[in-house]
Amino acid sequence: AQSVTQLGSHVSVSEGALVLLRCNYSSSVPPYLFWYVQYPNQGLQLLLKYTTGATLVKGINGFEAEFKKSETSFHLTKPSAHMSDAAEYFCAVSGFGNEKLTFGTGTRLTIIP
Amino acid sequence: EPEVTQTPSHQVTQMGQEVILRCVPISNHLYFYWYRQILGQKVEFLVSFYNNEISEKSEIFDDQFSVERPDGSNFTLKIRSTKLEDSAMYFCASGGQASSYEQYFGPGTRLTVT
Repeated sequence: AQSVTQLGSHVSVSEGALVLLRCNYSSSVPPYLFWYVQYPNQGLQLLLKYTTGATLVKGINGFEAEFKKSETSFHLTKPSAHMSDAAEYFCAVSGFGNEKLTFGTGTRLTIIP
Repeated sequence: EPEVTQTPSHQVTQMGQEVILRCVPISNHLYFYWYRQILGQKVEFLVSFYNNEISEKSEIFDDQFSVERPDGSNFTLKIRSTKLEDSAMYFCASGGQASSYEQYFGPGTRLTVT
């Protein structure tokens, strides 16, 4: 079974500052990890994924995440926040490929001008 | 760029009525899913569908729910007798190759049960 914990339901950062959204997972098998973004009144858009191989993965819009097995973490970062990054971010985990996604509770990111 | 589409965008129905939510997955995708998100809560898995049959379903997906892929393009979720607690945003997703692991989500259907 898999589960995801996202620390911080709301995160506020100033425009241009570092964005750090935290995600810890639990999985009984090697996990596949994902970050999705949801803009108001829209669906979920895949930001990036980790399956195997390189533990630092880069995604769209300048986001990246690092898989740390020893810490069971997959935190999302962006060096410099932009106003357009304001959205809800969901971390998700699956077991084997193409299995269901188990989502965290989400983190709402607010960008302060 | 191919995308998953869903209709309607908003459905209002009375308790006890049947509703059908429709999805058109990305063509040539093989894996299909339904998720729901109750307002203010996390996204929850309902059911996955592969090779014309259900591959996994959650505890939420009881006998009131059913899925169909009636033709080569549509994927539907039916709720036979809606309850107030079925009010939620319902997302369809599809996935392609077995090795890609990615799921692409549609914009959702907001279901309101009164």
